[in-house]
Amino acid sequence: GQNIDQPTEMTATEGAIVQINCTYQTSGFNGLFWYQQHAGEAPTFLSYNVLDGLEEKGRFSSFLSRSKGYSYLLLKELQMKDSASYLCAVIISGGYNKLIFGAGTRLAVHP
Amino acid sequence: ETGVTQSPTHLIKTRGQQVTLRCSSQSGHNTVSWYQQALGQGPQFIFQYYREEENGRGNFPPRFSGLQFPNYSSELNVNALELDDSALYLCASSPGSYYSYEQYFGPGTRLTVT
Repeated sequence: GQNIDQPTEMTATEGAIVQINCTYQTSGFNGLFWYQQHAGEAPTFLSYNVLDGLEEKGRFSSFLSRSKGYSYLLLKELQMKDSASYLCAVIISGGYNKLIFGAGTRLAVHP
Repeated sequence: ETGVTQSPTHLIKTRGQQVTLRCSSQSGHNTVSWYQQALGQGPQFIFQYYREEENGRGNFPPRFSGLQFPNYSSELNVNALELDDSALYLCASSPGSYYSYEQYFGPGTRLTVT
């Protein structure tokens, strides 16, 4: 089966750094996405990793280790607007590309 | 803005009824996927259409069906609604190239079944 695990909830302080971890066990791995989702809204794309290593994009960075089935999303200089759910999703293929999502991590940023 | 639109925004139906949700993909995107997201959960893959044919399906019963049209629009139909069908329904389009993985999500339709 396909399994993606991430913490349910996290809290952090404005201006701080937070790391959201994701572990996965899937077949046909073709990369890992991180999405941000505010309550009641659509997921918005943050990052895509297919090779091992760190991808940096402004305040957001994402890391992948394929051998360990592990990724993390690093958010720096946290702002109140970063309070949202963060979804880890693996794309698998088997004739077509399908996104498998984790349950999401709800991040609350406090002043 | 992803260029993907969905209608309606919100919908309330009664158990046993049928519902049709609509999605308009980005122009040129041959692939559309539909997801169901229950409260507090990640999106669950329902099915995917490529050039008007279903080419993949998740673990959803046959009362969930779809259509894709040549004008980049698509529909999700759900028959015999159940209370557990209450969720946010998301469509996502992508260019359709096998190596183009990013999916562009619409704003979703919030379905409530009473």
